[in-house]
Amino acid sequence: NAGVTQTPKFRILKIGQSMTLQCTQDMNHNYMYWYRQDPGMGLKLIYYSVGAGITDKGEVPNGYNVSRSTTEDFPLRLELAAPSQTSVYFCASSFQGTNTEAFFGQGTRLTVV
Amino acid sequence: ELKVEQNPLFLSMQEGKNYTIYCNYSTTSDRLYWYRQDPGKSLESLFVLLSNGAVKQEGRLMASLDTKARLSTLHITAAVHDLSATYFCAVVSIQGAQKLVFGQGTRLTINP
Repeated sequence: NAGVTQTPKFRILKIGQSMTLQCTQDMNHNYMYWYRQDPGMGLKLIYYSVGAGITDKGEVPNGYNVSRSTTEDFPLRLELAAPSQTSVYFCASSFQGTNTEAFFGQGTRLTVV
Repeated sequence: ELKVEQNPLFLSMQEGKNYTIYCNYSTTSDRLYWYRQDPGKSLESLFVLLSNGAVKQEGRLMASLDTKARLSTLHITAAVHDLSATYFCAVVSIQGAQKLVFGQGTRLTINP
């Protein structure tokens, strides 16, 4: 049982480049989330989705986009990378939103130089 | 806006001692989660607290929730080195039902 899988694990981007962080889950969870974790800090919600075709902004959505075409996949897109987006990104999923525990992926460590 | 504060942020303790991590939050909520994170790793769910007065225990860890005081505690009994990690509390924001708001985390180091 793979759970929540994120790729890549590490990436270095140059300022202005674009990339997509991939996230897939095999637990048939309706809810999926993207968080970022800055050094020594807690997690901040970027975007979330309550089901295929439905997405909404979290606390820090600027500079990011998401889509949810299937239940399994929830990619996060960075269009014009900036140094402020250097962070560790976590994807998570849960069955019934915040009434049930969220399962987290292993994280993607992104550095923008 | 929901704010979540943990204290202490750093805690160094000896094996065999007891200690408590506190999680305070600013607005009404009745659901709270505790997570553990090892260095360079993902978050692992420890406890889900879903009502006032809820108490959950797993091994040397015990978590409780007082929704009236807007306070949760994570108590460590007779600490062992394997419990060294960063612990996060996360509170459900009732203004945005799908949102967890995380505390800053408590970095716990347990020395032999």
